[in-house]
Amino acid sequence: ETGVTQSPTHLIKTRGQQVTLRCSSQSGHNTVSWYQQALGQGPQFIFQYYREEENGRGNFPPRFSGLQFPNYSSELNVNALELDDSALYLCASSLAIQETQYFGPGTRLLVL
Amino acid sequence: GESVGLHLPTLSVQEGDNSIINCAYSNSASDYFIWYKQESGKGPQFIIDIRSNMDKRQGQRVTVLLNKTVKHLSLQIAATQPGDSAVYFCAEPRRGNTPLVFGKGTRLSVIA
Repeated sequence: ETGVTQSPTHLIKTRGQQVTLRCSSQSGHNTVSWYQQALGQGPQFIFQYYREEENGRGNFPPRFSGLQFPNYSSELNVNALELDDSALYLCASSLAIQETQYFGPGTRLLVL
Repeated sequence: GESVGLHLPTLSVQEGDNSIINCAYSNSASDYFIWYKQESGKGPQFIIDIRSNMDKRQGQRVTVLLNKTVKHLSLQIAATQPGDSAVYFCAEPRRGNTPLVFGKGTRLSVIA
């Protein structure tokens, strides 16, 4: 167990809806990164938050947005869901930007 | 472009044998690599890492070898056990902005 928790574990939405996924980082970690993992693929970087500020973004459209709170927990929001958004969404926390990332169990999102 | 990739998508190994999982990278300036293990339905789990100033690093039953000349690293698992069955990813942080870049992964199946 890494100490990184995510909620919910599973979620079913329909096309066009909005979703919020949550992540609690490991104690002492101030950096949170989000990844999308499609079936049979490696995780793809969405964005990273460091001390409540976005610190880098992957090749994802603006309808993917995030927040980091003062306690370093984080949210991933996805608007206008598309079928291709169906994936496992992973959160990883680290002591700092350059440190090893530890992953949570993920949220499996299914868009119908 | 820069990439981190894996040679084989699947590997079947007899229980008790040693496993070797390979990974190639293309960025000769890469200085840090990480191996993750992902079991079905779980997030990636950190196994071992290695920096470019090392050729070899050992953990518990695992060894990572780095050959900078041919830009290749491998993960060796000694006395493979059924619990080692998982998908294994090598990952590389990018410079300046440290998302992890993952390959597609190698699925290790242990035959009892």
